[in-house]
Order: sequence, then C-alpha cells, then structure tokens
Amino acid sequence: QKEVEQDPGPLSVPEGAIVSLNCTYSNSAFQYFMWYRQYSRKGPELLMYTYSSGNKEDGRFTAQVDKSSKYISLFIRDSQPSDSATYLCAMGGSGGYNKLIFGAGTRLAVHP
Amino acid sequence: DTEVTQTPKHLVMGMTNKKSLKCEQHMGHRAMYWYKQKAKKPPELMFVYSYEKLSINESVPSRFSPECPNSSLLNLHLHALQPEDSALYLCASSQESLGGIAAFFGQGTRLTVV
Repeated sequence: QKEVEQDPGPLSVPEGAIVSLNCTYSNSAFQYFMWYRQYSRKGPELLMYTYSSGNKEDGRFTAQVDKSSKYISLFIRDSQPSDSATYLCAMGGSGGYNKLIFGAGTRLAVHP
Repeated sequence: DTEVTQTPKHLVMGMTNKKSLKCEQHMGHRAMYWYKQKAKKPPELMFVYSYEKLSINESVPSRFSPECPNSSLLNLHLHALQPEDSALYLCASSQESLGGIAAFFGQGTRLTVV
C-alpha cells in the first residue's frame, strides 16, 4: 500500500463547477499537508499549506484535513479553464527534516 | 519575492558531456532541494542541503553531483548521464525550521540526454 493515494483522473468538469480533489494516507505521523498545482511543463506551485486538522480557505480554494479518517481534500469553487492543471497533494511529519511524500497527482480539465 | 529561479530552462546534452544546472532563491531559506520528475509522475527527492551542507542524498548515482556555494545558490553538476536521466529537474527551497514542508519550487530544467 502506498503511503499516499491520489486518483490520477483525468477529471473533466464544466466551467463554474465545484471541484473536489482528494488524497488518503496511511501514516498517522503526518502533520503537514500541502496542495501543489502544476501546469504542463512547469514546476509545482504551492497552493495551500495546512498544519494538523481543520479547514483553510484562500479565495476560491479550500483545503480540509481530517486526521481521524486520514483524508485530505481540496475544493475549488467557480472553477475556471485556467485551473486546468495537475494537482498534487503532499504531506510530511513533524520535527527535524521531513521528506515530502507526494500523491500521484490528479489531472483536472475545466472546459468552457 | 517568493521565487526560485532555475537556469537553463532546457538542456540537451550528450552522454559524454559535462553540464551544470543552477538554482537561486532570495527568500532567506536555508534548506534547498533537488528533485527529479519524470512525465506524469510526482517529483522524487534527490538531495537536501541545510545551511549549505549536504544533509540528505537519496542514493543518487555519482554522475549527479550537487553543490551549494552559498545560502542563495544551488548547483547540480552532471557528467556521463544516461538517456534514462532525461527528466524535469526541479529545485526547491523552504524555511529550515519546516524541513521539507511548504517548499517553493522553481520552474525546472527540462533535460534531454542523447
């Protein structure tokens, strides 16, 4: 079993839809949870960064962490064609150096 | 400035060539990283530098040689690469207190080995 599971998609939605992206994980030591957006042939861009459980909102993006279920989500409201990209979840432990464990990435296409 | 700058953006090299990839950040981050990313795969960690010292080498072949000349710069020296080394090479940095957490990535160098 992989430490982090993420459905690779592709996920295709119409413009304006609410998008839900998810990852599950098995390591209960993870304390930090991140979402990266990666456009084709570009480097990953840090979108959201959450410590422990709870919700965090930034504009059209909301990140949720449920440590009891070992499940994290990224919601995108009012999705735009410019949101079309691969979304990578990543997570790490606490204390000392933490190697980021990435999910496989979900390819999202938002069509006009 | 939340930018990590990598040069060159593209590189084609022969198997007998020696080349270097460069990375620069001015965010005051004292942890810097090299990642390798193959198509449709997540990034894989190669090296970690903490306060200009190599702290982690993820069993990377010696044909890849990292160097951290100062707190803002990171280099990756390449020699005698193989075609399977063709990939996107990403540099990243983060606050040292967070280790690898919340790392900012550069745009990458797309390397092709012929």
